[in-house]
Amino acid sequence: DQQVKQNSPSLSVQEGRISILNCDYTNSMFDYFLWYKKYPAEGPTFLISISSIKDKNEDGRFTVFLNKSAKHLSLHIVPSQPGDSAVYFCAASPPSGNTPLVFGKGTRLSVIA
Amino acid sequence: GAVVSQHPSRVICKSGTSVKIECRSLDFQATTMFWYRQFPKQSLMLMATSNEGSKATYEQGVEKDKFLINHASLTLSTLTVTSAHPEDSSFYICSARESPGSMKPLHFGNGTRLTVT
Repeated sequence: DQQVKQNSPSLSVQEGRISILNCDYTNSMFDYFLWYKKYPAEGPTFLISISSIKDKNEDGRFTVFLNKSAKHLSLHIVPSQPGDSAVYFCAASPPSGNTPLVFGKGTRLSVIA
Repeated sequence: GAVVSQHPSRVICKSGTSVKIECRSLDFQATTMFWYRQFPKQSLMLMATSNEGSKATYEQGVEKDKFLINHASLTLSTLTVTSAHPEDSSFYICSARESPGSMKPLHFGNGTRLTVT
């Protein structure tokens, strides 16, 4: 049973436009959410996170929105750049802190010049 | 920032041999490290949680006698794939968090591409 779901396996966006990547979760105990970016043959790199006490966190071109009632979060990238093309993983963490993250299956973003 | 170093980045081995992958936290101590496996076009699959000074905790379906994990120090965890077979070919990634129990992101190594011929 997947606790973190990324229902879109892929997304194509024109350079300069907004990319919106979505993520849904089922476990209401999750209280910390993260987005990772992964290039082929490399480990994931941390992008941005949000605590469940917030509904928005912004860092430059990247903004994460959290809707706890809907158990939904999204990552907005604006403006999108060709270098943003990668696989993006949504991850969630339960409160105990040192337990492993639960990852979604990832969404492959292609930003077209 | 926190760095996790993983070695080797690529390894090709013959069926039946064993391969050791190292994961080091370079500028922080990690009492817990996590080992993931990624198949092509699939998500990261947690294999095991490596605890310094104690036995690793394996996820369901992961053979602990095949994937030996040793976490002998606060900065080093190793994964040994024993008697490797072609189906073990995969991308193995380790990760660690700077401060246990805190809301900090996991930092990942760059992964090890294992090919068993």
